[in-house]
Amino acid sequence: QQQVKQSPQSLIVQKGGIPIINCAYENTAFDYFPWYQQFPGKGPALLIAIRPDVSEKKEGRFTISFNKSAKQFSLHIMDSQPGDSATYFCAASIPGGSYIPTFGRGTSLIVHP
Amino acid sequence: DAMVIQNPRYQVTQFGKPVTLSCSQTLNHNVMYWYQQKSSQAPKLLFHYYDKDFNNEADTPDNFQSRRPNTSFCFLDIRSPGLGDAAMYLCATSRTSGTASYEQYFGPGTRLTVT
Repeated sequence: QQQVKQSPQSLIVQKGGIPIINCAYENTAFDYFPWYQQFPGKGPALLIAIRPDVSEKKEGRFTISFNKSAKQFSLHIMDSQPGDSATYFCAASIPGGSYIPTFGRGTSLIVHP
Repeated sequence: DAMVIQNPRYQVTQFGKPVTLSCSQTLNHNVMYWYQQKSSQAPKLLFHYYDKDFNNEADTPDNFQSRRPNTSFCFLDIRSPGLGDAAMYLCATSRTSGTASYEQYFGPGTRLTVT
């Protein structure tokens, strides 16, 4: 059973556009929501993360919006660039013990010049 | 720079021939993980070490084994690779302190090809 549902599976935008990737979760025990960026042939890298006590977090051109009541969170990429073309994974984890994130299925983003 | 290092980056093995992938970290993190990632899929956790304690995922095949001789090193052994084991293998680390957990840091991965 997939506990973190990510959409869309793929996304194509023009340079300067604002791609939005959405994730929804079911387990209310989740308390940490990271986004990972993965380029072809590389390992995922943490991009930005949020905890449920805030509704929005911004780092540079990347923003997470978090809606606790709807159990949804999304990644917005402002002024997208061709270098942002990558696969993006949302994830969620519960507190305590080992950190074991549950990953979404990923979104392949292509930003055309 | 502190990092997670995986060797080799590319590994070709024959069907049924044992192979070992290695991971080392300079982050002094107490948790180390092995993931399998196939094309266009999310990473799939195989197992992880919390300090010296080994934790196997329920659906990880017996064909996959792991060793962690010390804090810095972790190995993935595939005893009899099948064609279906061709994938990217990712090592990751994280640091935990009591109930506070910290994010994962991934290595660059080892691309395994089975011929």
